[in-house]
Amino acid sequence: SQQGEEDPQALSIQEGENATMNCSYKTSINNLQWYRQNSGRGLVHLILIRSNEREKHSGRLRVTLDTSKKSSSLLITASRAADTASYFCATDLLQGAQKLVFGQGTRLTINP
Amino acid sequence: DAGITQSPRHKVTETGTPVTLRCHQTENHRYMYWYRQDPGHGLRLIHYSYGVKDTDKGEVSDGYSVSRSKTEDFLLTLESATSSQTSVYFCAISSDRGGFYGYTFGSGTRLTVV
Repeated sequence: SQQGEEDPQALSIQEGENATMNCSYKTSINNLQWYRQNSGRGLVHLILIRSNEREKHSGRLRVTLDTSKKSSSLLITASRAADTASYFCATDLLQGAQKLVFGQGTRLTINP
Repeated sequence: DAGITQSPRHKVTETGTPVTLRCHQTENHRYMYWYRQDPGHGLRLIHYSYGVKDTDKGEVSDGYSVSRSKTEDFLLTLESATSSQTSVYFCAISSDRGGFYGYTFGSGTRLTVV
């Protein structure tokens, strides 16, 4: 089964509202990353949080990490129509090989 | 995407034929990856490379092989295409082992096996 699982699978909100997506994982990690994918395109790296960090900000993005619960959340504040995309978490496993493991993604729709 | 290109972008092929997808990078990154993306499965790793001629299997490697004879090119071959290999294939590159600076993805190849 997947190392990372996002919740919810789909989220629809009004423009200007905040969007929160969650990611849970199973095994210890070095870092956790979030990616965005617009329809028909490749994934784009958004933000990385290390296992010894609890919170990180980048523009309108806020990521938290709780290693005791093996979970992370991505908050997008003041959402815009251009934020409509799928969002994926990816984990760099502590005991893993040289690769990231991706979750199944959250489909975010921002309604004007 | 800048620095990484995939070819072809779209391909339709018949069951049983061999198919080769190409990933080309201009970033001189050491690590290269092939993922497939299917509804309900997210991205799953097929094969990856950690240097020229150094490759390893991912979680869904059956039916696929790879080659990396030079830093900039990573080829994915479907030895005998099956309908279950209909998917969108993404190549990614990274400068470091854990993707600390993030992976850079190509635009994908949509493969249909009929």
